[in-house]
Amino acid sequence: GAVVSQHPSWVICKSGTSVKIECRSLDFQATTMFWYRQFPKQSLMLMATSNEGSKATYEQGVEKDKFLINHASLTLSTLTVTSAHPEDSSFYICSARVPGPNPYNEQFFGPGTRLTVL
Amino acid sequence: EDQVTQSPEALRLQEGESSSLNCSYTVSGLRGLFWYRQDPGKGPEFLFTLYSAGEEKEKERLKATLTKKESFLHITAPKPEDSATYLCAVQALGIQGAQKLVFGQGTRLTINP
Repeated sequence: GAVVSQHPSWVICKSGTSVKIECRSLDFQATTMFWYRQFPKQSLMLMATSNEGSKATYEQGVEKDKFLINHASLTLSTLTVTSAHPEDSSFYICSARVPGPNPYNEQFFGPGTRLTVL
Repeated sequence: EDQVTQSPEALRLQEGESSSLNCSYTVSGLRGLFWYRQDPGKGPEFLFTLYSAGEEKEKERLKATLTKKESFLHITAPKPEDSATYLCAVQALGIQGAQKLVFGQGTRLTINP
């Protein structure tokens, strides 16, 4: 159980275009999902917390208007990188926590999406 | 500020050579420490959760332990398939009380046959 999927697994786009990445929880409902970014040989950095039915909470330094997050259902969150530039090229990973009595249980991660902006 | 420091950055072992990875943390009120394994080009794979000092968890050749200031991931008689980056993360409170994971830089483990 606790499987999280992402689509696409990789995408190449031209500078100035927008790219949408989907994150789905396959066998559980997730009221909260998380979006991370990972640059080569670096660790994961939290970008934002995605809440079903409400606005996402962004970490300091992350541009809300550039990284649009929509958590439309209990199993789907999307991240749209708007007007992408080469510096946005990175590995984007989502995660979700299985709901339960423990609010601090582990997060399960998707396989990641490699974004390359030319 | 919540911080997680992992050491060493990289570790090469021979198959069967046991060792330990370290994760030191400073966090205002630990709500959980997590170990993940990450293979190149993939998302992190969950290994263990530890919540209180003295707690230990085991899975195959891996054993995680926790004190008030650090956690160790012990690997016993490793095999080449254990080669990966091992990430440590602590649960902290972020903006507006939101829960967030703070990750260490990871330890790249290579097991030579």
